[in-house]
Amino acid sequence: GQQLNQSPQSMFIQEGEDVSMNCTSSSIFNTWLWYKQDPGEGPVLLIALYKAGELTSNGRLTAQFGITRKDSFLNISASIPSDVGIYFCAGQNYGGSQGNLIFGKGTKLSVKP
Amino acid sequence: ETGVTQSPTHLIKTRGQQVTLRCSSQSGHNTVSWYQQALGQGPQFIFQYYREEENGRGNFPPRFSGLQFPNYSSELNVNALELDDSALYLCASERGIAGANVLTFGAGSRLTVL
Repeated sequence: GQQLNQSPQSMFIQEGEDVSMNCTSSSIFNTWLWYKQDPGEGPVLLIALYKAGELTSNGRLTAQFGITRKDSFLNISASIPSDVGIYFCAGQNYGGSQGNLIFGKGTKLSVKP
Repeated sequence: ETGVTQSPTHLIKTRGQQVTLRCSSQSGHNTVSWYQQALGQGPQFIFQYYREEENGRGNFPPRFSGLQFPNYSSELNVNALELDDSALYLCASERGIAGANVLTFGAGSRLTVL
């Protein structure tokens, strides 16, 4: 099925460093979402973006909805060990509810303490 | 309010068998969606149920079917299991079907097909 292109696939960073990951698509979305999934758990919503160009923060996390509606990025500032996990971007098509999401393949984040 | 709960958490089946996975929605949520997450991949949308009727379906064959009950709990049924059906199956609930609702995921049921 269709998936978003998410990069990088994985990254190792030192505690305290800033992290950046992004997601691109050939399709336009009207909503971009960023989720985090810990081992043995389901994805948990971090940030939701509803307008092109929108920049939204949630604590140390900042995400932006690309102006073309085909991309989004997520930044994590001053990473800590509990930031470890897999981060997914997801896009919602026009006319769909949030239940009909298209996910990227994820960015696996590992932090060295 | 309670979250989304799924059962069983793990199960093993053999090729050709049938499986039923269950999901209890978060309190107040009347819409449920099911996703399949293969190892190393992002979740893929299977289908959504709203008020006990299918309200959208992804690219999955008819042997994947579902039910939603009056209390908004849900089942995912998969017939004639294939090896590639091995995955984590996630249930997610939301209130209504308008956009801008928060989708709450359960922890999933991990299915292994041998």
